[in-house]
Amino acid sequence: AQTVTQSQPEMSVQEAETVTLSCTYDTSESDYYLFWYKQPPSRQMILVIRQEAYKQQNATENRFSVNFQKAAKSFSLKISDSQLGDAAMYFCAYGGGSQGNLIFGKGTKLSVKP
Amino acid sequence: DTEVTQTPKHLVMGMTNKKSLKCEQHMGHRAMYWYKQKAKKPPELMFVYSYEKLSINESVPSRFSPECPNSSLLNLHLHALQPEDSALYLCASSFERGQYNEQFFGPGTRLTVL
Repeated sequence: AQTVTQSQPEMSVQEAETVTLSCTYDTSESDYYLFWYKQPPSRQMILVIRQEAYKQQNATENRFSVNFQKAAKSFSLKISDSQLGDAAMYFCAYGGGSQGNLIFGKGTKLSVKP
Repeated sequence: DTEVTQTPKHLVMGMTNKKSLKCEQHMGHRAMYWYKQKAKKPPELMFVYSYEKLSINESVPSRFSPECPNSSLLNLHLHALQPEDSALYLCASSFERGQYNEQFFGPGTRLTVL
């Protein structure tokens, strides 16, 4: 069975600084997707970034980028130039198998200090 | 329209009540999901519908009854709930089931069972 581990329950970053959230996963599959979702307090969960396992190039979306290390089964999220609106719970998720259900990590609560 | 809507936003019910949660999407997605999310926890998958047919029931108690009247609409009927069922109920949709398909989440219904 696949598992997703986020080892940092809480993180804090100063506004305009850079922060990296960690995620590791375990799977025996070779074809899968990885996602980072953001859930602000009392607000909707939205997709931040996705990575296809067959792509070696790390995904980037504006200030958000990932460091995908397939052999190490590591998928970290880097947020550059942190903004107050980045404060949220961040969930790492694995999507794989024929059913393609999402398997979530426990989440990392990110605080941004002004 | 790239939105998943859910009604109501908040619901308070007694243990003997019958109520329903509603989810709607107009993105032409053929897979729809119900998740339960407790505070500071990741979403837990409850049900998956694919092409309006129930594909997955993750051992959810029978007091939760899903219904998919058409490809755009998903309901969750609630009856004789327990206080421990109080949670945020999230609906999501994707183009199809499978790991290649990003899931779009609704804002959720916050349910309180008294």
